[in-house]
Amino acid sequence: DQQVKQNSPSLSVQEGRISILNCDYTNSMFDYFLWYKKYPAEGPTFLISISSIKDKNEDGRFTVFLNKSAKHLSLHIVPSQPGDSAVYFCAASADTGNQFYFGTGTSLTVIP
Amino acid sequence: DAMVIQNPRYQVTQFGKPVTLSCSQTLNHNVMYWYQQKSSQAPKLLFHYYDKDFNNEADTPDNFQSRRPNTSFCFLDIRSPGLGDAAMYLCATSRMGGSGYEQYFGPGTRLTVT
Repeated sequence: DQQVKQNSPSLSVQEGRISILNCDYTNSMFDYFLWYKKYPAEGPTFLISISSIKDKNEDGRFTVFLNKSAKHLSLHIVPSQPGDSAVYFCAASADTGNQFYFGTGTSLTVIP
Repeated sequence: DAMVIQNPRYQVTQFGKPVTLSCSQTLNHNVMYWYQQKSSQAPKLLFHYYDKDFNNEADTPDNFQSRRPNTSFCFLDIRSPGLGDAAMYLCATSRMGGSGYEQYFGPGTRLTVT
């Protein structure tokens, strides 16, 4: 039972444009959401997070938006750069446990 | 640099031959996790340790065991690997459990079963 879903396996964007990666979740107990970036042959690296008490968190070119009523979050990358080409995983956790639940990932390709 | 280290990066084992994957961390984090990831799938949590407390996911096969002899090290033992166990195995750490803390991942060990 996939509690965190990323329905777009891949996304291609021109350099300089906005990349928008989407994530949906089903468990209303989730209160902390994270995005990870993964290059081939490396482990995922933490990118940005958001607590459920916020609806937006920004870090440089990366912004995460959370819509709790829709159980949806998105990652915006502006402007997109070729070095952003990677697989992006959405993850969620609840304060009641230590587990993190991951989506299946979206492969982003930024075209120069 | 503080980090999560996994050895080996690539492991080949024979069907039914026990294999051990290792993970070490210099972050002094309380929680250590083992994930299995197959191609195009989400990382699947196998188990985690909060300090010395072991937590097994309900659907983790009995074939998989883990040991955490101290804060820094954690091992994944696969007692009788099958072809279906071929995957990337990711170790991760987190300073604390619960919300508000991100995980730090190692580079993974790619397991091949022949």
